[in-house]
Order: sequence, then structure tokens, then C-alpha cells
Amino acid sequence: EVALVESGGGLVQPGGSLRLSCAASGFTFSYHWMGWVRQAPGKGLEWVANIAQDGSAEYYVDSVKGRFTISRDNAKNSLYLQMNGLMAEDTAIYYCVREYYGPGDFWGQGTLVTVSS
Amino acid sequence: DVVLTQSPLSLPVTLGQPASISCRSSQSLVYSDGNTYLTWLQQRPGQSPRRLIYKVSNRDSGVPDRFSGSGSGTDFTLKITRVEAEDVGVYYCMQGSHWPPWTFGQGTKVEIK
Repeated sequence: EVALVESGGGLVQPGGSLRLSCAASGFTFSYHWMGWVRQAPGKGLEWVANIAQDGSAEYYVDSVKGRFTISRDNAKNSLYLQMNGLMAEDTAIYYCVREYYGPGDFWGQGTLVTVSS
Repeated sequence: DVVLTQSPLSLPVTLGQPASISCRSSQSLVYSDGNTYLTWLQQRPGQSPRRLIYKVSNRDSGVPDRFSGSGSGTDFTLKITRVEAEDVGVYYCMQGSHWPPWTFGQGTKVEIK
């Protein structure tokens, strides 16, 4: 059974850092583009970043460029999002997402990031 | 960036009645490989999103056949033939034809009258 389990969220002060992790199981992780999508409280969905199967390509939404870094470890079936310079507007649930026959194929349960002093 | 505009944003429906959600794109979603990467997602209250439909009209595994997707170019529709209580939630269209970035519609909240 396919599973994506995010971890690493929490409360952080403005300007701080967090590293999110996503543990994948039930499928061949290295075959898939993977990404992060976030959802601010009570709001819609916003794509954040994604990464190619072998990590050779990465893309980011403009609002996080230079602050966030997506990475993966195919040996550990894991996806990561290093978030630096966090701002209040980064407060959201962050979902790990698999791509297959297009975007948004499978979603994790999400991890909440709260940026507040 | 591609802008997806959904309508209506709120959809009260009687149980057993049909429902329809429109998603319009600011540009054609036909990708260079000939496919149209228009996806429909369902987000039930308190849950993470779940993909229902990919490439306009293909149902994902386990999705009831009362859900169907149609459309082409810039105009797309999600239809539910007979709404059930478990269909309550927010529905999003999403495009992966012109990225980065992937983009989403605003969401349509489906509720029971």
C-alpha cells in the first residue's frame, strides 16, 4: 500500500529554519517526480517545489526561491524540504505529493508549520 | 502562470442529485506531448487531498464511477451523477501542463442542502 508520511513540522520563530521529511513506502520511490504542496489555514492549495526522479532538476514557486531547498535520498525512500528564512506567510500544512500520470497522484497526511514569535 | 478559475465556489446539493463544477484555464492545457494534464482533487473535511481524475477524464483507482471529468483546451468539468454524503468537501482543479508552477483553482465547496 502506498504511503507518504511527513514529519518535521512545528512552531518556529520568524527567520528560523525547519527541515521537513517525507518517508515513502509501497512503491518504487526512485521512479517518480516528487513535490511539496502547502495549504495555509482555511485557504487553498499552493505548489511549493518539486524534484526529478534522480534529483537532477528542481523547481520552486517564486515566493520560496533562495529560501527553500528540496532534496531526496532514493536509498532511504525519502523526500526533504529545507526551509530557511521562514516568514509568517509560510505558515501552512505541508503535503508531500507523488507525481504519476500527471501531478497530485498521491498525497501524504501533511505536517503543520507555524511561523510565529 | 496559468490561472485556473472554478465555478461555482459554493455548491449546495440535494442528496441523490447531480452536481457539476467548471474549471476554466487562462490558456490551453494541451502539453507538447499531446496530453492535457488537468487533474481534479477532492479534499474531505480534515483530510488531505485525494486525486479523483487525471488527464481530464481518467478516474484514479478506487474512485466511484459517479465521478467523471470532461473538457478540452481551456474548459473542463467535473460531474457527480448522484451526490452522496461522503462527497462533501472541497474540490480543486489542478494543472500540470505548463509548469513551473503547478497551479490550482480556488476550490469549490460541496455541501448537502
